[in-house]
Amino acid sequence: QKEVEQNSGPLSVPEGAIASLNCTYSDRGSQSFFWYRQYSGKSPELIMFIYSNGDKEDGRFTAQLNKASQYVSLLIRDSQPSDSATYLCAGLNTGFQKLVFGTGTRLLVSP
Amino acid sequence: DVKVTQSSRYLVKRTGEKVFLECVQDMDHENMFWYRQDPGLGLRLIYFSYDVKMKEKGDIPEGYSVSREKKERFSLILESASTNQTSMYLCASRTGQGSGYTFGSGTRLTVV
Repeated sequence: QKEVEQNSGPLSVPEGAIASLNCTYSDRGSQSFFWYRQYSGKSPELIMFIYSNGDKEDGRFTAQLNKASQYVSLLIRDSQPSDSATYLCAGLNTGFQKLVFGTGTRLLVSP
Repeated sequence: DVKVTQSSRYLVKRTGEKVFLECVQDMDHENMFWYRQDPGLGLRLIYFSYDVKMKEKGDIPEGYSVSREKKERFSLILESASTNQTSMYLCASRTGQGSGYTFGSGTRLTVV
């Protein structure tokens, strides 16, 4: 079973701090990784994707990928209370054409 | 932006009823998916489809079937609803080129 593992949290950070969300995966065939944000009662929303080793930045968000260590992370700078949500990590093995999701990490940003 | 539309936001059905959940996408995506999401269990794949009239079982297909007669529409069918099918149902679509999913807004189904 190809798996994506995340700590369920909650991860609590104060407003303005950096939130670091982590994810490990077992399938070395996974080529691309996606971070989704899901507010309570809502559907997941894609916020970042990454397919090359290293960092990818988009505004306050930075995705990091280390294929040798099979590790993906999402950094959120200057965290805001509106960032409080569950963050889902997903990997794509292009041979299988479907995403494998982790169970998500709940982030709480306190004012 | 790609739009994935699920026909109902909330649905209440009785045990034993046949239930249809509809999903329509407007960007000519080849791949479409049905998931259910339950607290503590994450997203679980029920069925998916790579193209019209094609379907593949996901991880938890029992008690469900699907239909894809047109590229833009993917329907999930609960043949005889049971209380353990009470859940949030999420439809998603994607192109076949390594992209992520776009999700619909979800249908919260309660079976009583």
